[in-house]
Amino acid sequence: GQNIDQPTEMTATEGAIVQINCTYQTSGFNGLFWYQQHAGEAPTFLSYNVLDGLEEKGRFSSFLSRSKGYSYLLLKELQMKDSASYLCAVREEQAGTALIFGKGTTLSVSS
Amino acid sequence: GAGVSQSPSNKVTEKGKDVELRCDPISGHTALYWYRQSLGQGLEFLIYFQGNSAPDKSGLPSDRFSAERTGGSVSTLTIQRTQQEDSAVYLCASSLDFDQPQHFGDGTRLSIL
Repeated sequence: GQNIDQPTEMTATEGAIVQINCTYQTSGFNGLFWYQQHAGEAPTFLSYNVLDGLEEKGRFSSFLSRSKGYSYLLLKELQMKDSASYLCAVREEQAGTALIFGKGTTLSVSS
Repeated sequence: GAGVSQSPSNKVTEKGKDVELRCDPISGHTALYWYRQSLGQGLEFLIYFQGNSAPDKSGLPSDRFSAERTGGSVSTLTIQRTQQEDSAVYLCASSLDFDQPQHFGDGTRLSIL
């Protein structure tokens, strides 16, 4: 079956670094996405990994290990505006299949 | 710069009524997706359109749900004989092609009384 796990909630302080983990078990694999969703707003695309390794984009980085079914999103120099829900989503191997989303991790950044 | 546009933003209706939700994707995007997001739950895939191919309806929860995409652009999600468990935020997303990142609209918050 399909299963994507990520922590429900995390807290951190401004300026800190936080790592949000995601583990997945799906029927085949064809890419992993991270989205950010502020309360009441649409999810916005953050990163995409299809090969093992680290993808860096400014303050945000995403890592993938396909053999371990594991990814993490790393947020550096946290700002209050980073308080949001972070969604891990996997696309299965079958071409064109829509994304399977985890339930999201709600990150609260305090001063 | 137009993103994905959804209407209405909010819809309140009585149980048993039919509702139509509209999605206007980003111009030129061939792939269009509908998802549902309930409180405390992850996004749940409903249906996917890719170009002129037959849609992937594997996520539709019941035959009360249907969707169409006219002219490869605007899509309408229809829920017939609404039930209280249909209350959720319905999100539409589009992408340039099936393997490209999806861009989401702000969603329609549907409340069934």
